[in-house]
Amino acid sequence: EIVMTQSPATLSVSPGERATLSCRASQSVSSNLAWYQQKPGQAPRLLIYGASTRATGIPARFSGSGSGTEFTLTISSLQSEDFAVYYCQQYNNWPLYSFGQGTKLEIK
Amino acid sequence: EVQLVESGGGLVKPGGSLRLSCAASGFTFSSYSMNWVRQAPGKGLEWVSSISSSSSYIYYADSVKGRFTISRDNAKNSLYLQMNSLRAEDTAVYYCARESTIFPYYFDYWGQGTLVTVSS
Repeated sequence: EIVMTQSPATLSVSPGERATLSCRASQSVSSNLAWYQQKPGQAPRLLIYGASTRATGIPARFSGSGSGTEFTLTISSLQSEDFAVYYCQQYNNWPLYSFGQGTKLEIK
Repeated sequence: EVQLVESGGGLVKPGGSLRLSCAASGFTFSSYSMNWVRQAPGKGLEWVSSISSSSSYIYYADSVKGRFTISRDNAKNSLYLQMNSLRAEDTAVYYCARESTIFPYYFDYWGQGTLVTVSS
């Protein structure tokens, strides 16, 4: 089983500032890493796949990087609608998908 | 527009059964593999089960193997999850999610979820 670990658990950032979220895999997942955003009471929404490719309709302020075991999601200038919980997911070990425990991005 | 709408959740006693459904629209359902993913209250996401487009390949997480059965009806554009021998730890919101078209697969669309509560 590939264990995904996200840090920090909670990140407090002011609107307009940059947010950097981390995700680490217990073994290499190549670039088979996705990021999802989830707002309270809503379903997760795909943001990034292939570690760095934005999904359809995702604003350019969202960017992903990394490969192997270390990944980063960066939101360049936080908007009010960006405060949510973010999950990383590895799909290299298909179909045994695994998710990180999430990072809650809150308003500072 | 891709839409996935889950239904069938509710309150059930430990040891009981429940059948979840996911109605799909806005895409050619029969061309996509589908999944169930759950989220316990206040917790993260856990993959539950996957079924290929023609039902030829089916996979389960160890936590539900032998108790849950995934199936689909392509004529009805519907995905199902039969849950038997339910336990308190199965309490969660259950989401259906569509797999992407290019391998390896990630989840490109999700439904809004249906809540399953297992309690006496």
